[in-house]
Amino acid sequence: NAGVTQTPKFQVLKTGQSMTLQCAQDMNHNSMYWYRQDPGMGLRLIYYSASEGTTDKGEVPNGYNVSRLNKREFSLRLESAAPSQTSVYFCASSEHGVNEQFFGPGTRLTVL
Amino acid sequence: KNQVEQSPQSLIILEGKNCTLQCNYTVSPFSNLRWYKQDTGRGPVSLTIMTFSENTKSNGRYTATLDADTKQSSLHITASQLSDSASYICVVSARDSNYQLIWGAGTKLIIKP
Repeated sequence: NAGVTQTPKFQVLKTGQSMTLQCAQDMNHNSMYWYRQDPGMGLRLIYYSASEGTTDKGEVPNGYNVSRLNKREFSLRLESAAPSQTSVYFCASSEHGVNEQFFGPGTRLTVL
Repeated sequence: KNQVEQSPQSLIILEGKNCTLQCNYTVSPFSNLRWYKQDTGRGPVSLTIMTFSENTKSNGRYTATLDADTKQSSLHITASQLSDSASYICVVSARDSNYQLIWGAGTKLIIKP
């Protein structure tokens, strides 16, 4: 089992460009999450999907959109990237919300 | 406001020594508390999950304690190894939100040979 996979691993964008971060899990988990991690701060939840077909805003959703494509895949889209979105983005999954979350390796995004 | 605070921010110890990391939280109503280990450049990995009724939980050389009355938790690492060098993050879940966890900023632990 690969667990949680994310693509790409690194990305550099110019202000105003758009991109989609991909995430897939092979653990048959119901819930999936997108976080961002900035230096000196705890992880912050951007969006989550409690189950296939549902998505909800987290703590910092502005500037992002998500799609739960199927049970395995959960993508994060930046429509018009801004320097404030420079961060490390982690995707995670869990069987349900109360259970242990499993994380992908992260995407390091720089917006110039 | 729900918050999780960890101390110290960073810690350097010699290989083989023990150490204790602290976590204070103000999350209410409390559901569970988790400790994660995050190696540099990697995603966090769960060490323990503790509910309200659990005071102590061990995972190998890692022992977590929870005092729900004082809203404090600690993570004790015994006989440290070089591979223990990482950030250790305390995470608290509120009972009214199963999906939105409150993350601490982490303690960066460096083990020196």
